[in-house]
Amino acid sequence: GAVVSQHPSRVICKSGTSVKIECRSLDFQATTMFWYRQFPKQSLMLMATSNEGSKATYEQGVEKDKFLINHASLTLSTLTVTSAHPEDSSFYICSASGYWDQPQHFGDGTRLSIL
Amino acid sequence: AQSVAQPEDQVNVAEGNPLTVKCTYSVSGNPYLFWYVQYPNRGLQFLLKYITGDNLVKGSYGFEAEFNKSQTSFHLKKPSALVSDSALYFCAVRDSIKAAGNKLTFGGGTRVLVKP
Repeated sequence: GAVVSQHPSRVICKSGTSVKIECRSLDFQATTMFWYRQFPKQSLMLMATSNEGSKATYEQGVEKDKFLINHASLTLSTLTVTSAHPEDSSFYICSASGYWDQPQHFGDGTRLSIL
Repeated sequence: AQSVAQPEDQVNVAEGNPLTVKCTYSVSGNPYLFWYVQYPNRGLQFLLKYITGDNLVKGSYGFEAEFNKSQTSFHLKKPSALVSDSALYFCAVRDSIKAAGNKLTFGGGTRVLVKP
């Protein structure tokens, strides 16, 4: 149980393109979803927390107009990187959590490469 | 504020030997503690958690961890390491107070290399 699916697994696109990443909880209802960014050989950096039906809460230093998050249902959250540039290239990982005292379950990540 | 320290960037161990990955934490209330493992180009897989109760927690793939409140530690252990255990391990903490939400704070990660 507790499977989180993240798509696509890899994206390569030109600078200026907007990219959408989906995160789905397949077998449980995710009241909260999280979006992380991971640089090579580093830990996860939390970008934002989203609760179903509410606006996302962004961490300090994360541009909300750059990284648009939508959590329209209890099983789906999306992250859109708008007008992506090479510095946005990274490994993006989502996670989902049901009840507040349950662990987060992670998707397999999306490798984003902006040329 | 909550924080997690994993003092070792890398741990090397021979296959069949015991494996220990260290973690210490700081949190204002009672901690909820987690261990995750990450394989290359993959997300994080949940290994085990400590919420309350027995200080020794058993998890997936033969891993266990011991919660030590006085030392604010939650070290991950496996009695006999396998080559397939080679991966990146993350310790994470959050406050047990519901109002604090379930946002995790991660340690910097420890790379485990198990040699045949």
